Amino acid sequence: DGGITQSPKYLFRKEGQNVTLSCEQNLNHDAMYWYRQDPGQGLRLIYYSQIVNDFQKGDIAEGYSVSREKKESFPLTVTSAQKNPTAFYLCASSAWDGRYEQYFGPGTRLTVT
Amino acid sequence: KQEVTQIPAALSVPEGENLVLNCSFTDSAIYNLQWFRQDPGKGLTSLLLIQSSQREQTSGRLNASLDKSSGRSTLYIAASQPGDSATYLCAVTKNDYKLSFGAGTTVTVRA
Repeated sequence: DGGITQSPKYLFRKEGQNVTLSCEQNLNHDAMYWYRQDPGQGLRLIYYSQIVNDFQKGDIAEGYSVSREKKESFPLTVTSAQKNPTAFYLCASSAWDGRYEQYFGPGTRLTVT
Repeated sequence: KQEVTQIPAALSVPEGENLVLNCSFTDSAIYNLQWFRQDPGKGLTSLLLIQSSQREQTSGRLNASLDKSSGRSTLYIAASQPGDSATYLCAVTKNDYKLSFGAGTTVTVRA
């Protein structure tokens, strides 16, 4: 089955710890994206990558870091510098096919206490 | 900065009624517009994508229209069913291919 997988589904961390969220896709898509969703708000873009070994900051990149060493993988690290890390994190990907339709993974719910 | 607004924030209808969901955006220079469905605690499912050159797209009971010049899109769901209960999100893309999302409309279809 083609799709996007995110792991883990739920993640609990203590304040001050870094944590890495996994995102893998087997759709052969060039572009990948990380979004954050908070209750009652629309999704906000954290980072995106259009090709391997290249990525750009989105609207709320502070306190986050990413890497894109393989086309299929785009892990997100939530660092201790992120002031309000508790949220639902969604990964997406799209093809450079003129439509740029984005497809989403199932999400990771991160709780930091 | 692109602002995307969805009104109403919540909607409750009896089964069988047609649903009309509205989306407005401030910058009409968009590349495309996507409608998504989100069930509680889940990821987003893409429903329809409308390119900027198109006026509407249809898939089964779903029809989405786009009026780029007035900055509006409408999602119609015919003959609603309880299984249509979810949050519906619209998002627009400019030439940078980044999506700007509305906050969504939460729909409840009563049996």
